[in-house]
Amino acid sequence: QLQLQESGPGLAKPSETLSLKCTVSGASISNSDYSWGWIRQSPGKGLEWIGTIHYSGTTHYNPSLKSRVAISIDTSKSHFSLNLSSVTAADTAVYYCGRQRGYADYVGYWGQGLLVTVSS
Amino acid sequence: QSALTQPPSASGSPGQSVTISCTGTSTDIGAYNYVSWYQQHPGKAPKFMIFDVTKRPSGVPDRFSGSKSGNTAFLTVSGLQTEDEADYYCGSHAASNTFIFGGGTKLTVL
Repeated sequence: QLQLQESGPGLAKPSETLSLKCTVSGASISNSDYSWGWIRQSPGKGLEWIGTIHYSGTTHYNPSLKSRVAISIDTSKSHFSLNLSSVTAADTAVYYCGRQRGYADYVGYWGQGLLVTVSS
Repeated sequence: QSALTQPPSASGSPGQSVTISCTGTSTDIGAYNYVSWYQQHPGKAPKFMIFDVTKRPSGVPDRFSGSKSGNTAFLTVSGLQTEDEADYYCGSHAASNTFIFGGGTKLTVL
């Protein structure tokens, strides 16, 4: 059974870079039919798609976040990562990693989520 | 890229049916048959309920069904049960290989 687990600091300072990792187990991260994505949910708000990466390295990002986002993948270690730069309080959210069909389709599997608070 | 539009709330009594709408544009819902739906209970990760507009993943009860007309997709929950009370989000593949979620609908089972 595919499992995803987010990890990283639960606190980030304003203007700094938020870095999170998602470890994949139970399935190959190199399956060409899927991409690996990040989704976030601000407290009390809805879901926001951040972007995806395919094992080939192809990335697709939410246009509203594109200038601040970088997603990378390490297939040898079966994990992928999110870097979000110049964070502000508005970036405080639960960050989920997930597996998406194709480059940007349904999220079939979700991690449990990780709350990241941006505060000085 | 604006969020898909969902009603903030919906409600129904046990045993009844309720339908939640999700309105997009000609560059997302109207352009692709790649609408999906997610159920989220408080404090939990979303659960994948519907894909490709009408298809249910293994294990999702057939009380949950999806449809689409033009730029609007619909999720219908039939035979409402108390455990169906949750937030529901739609999602769609969109132009330039992006993905977009709806704002969410809180379903209350009266």
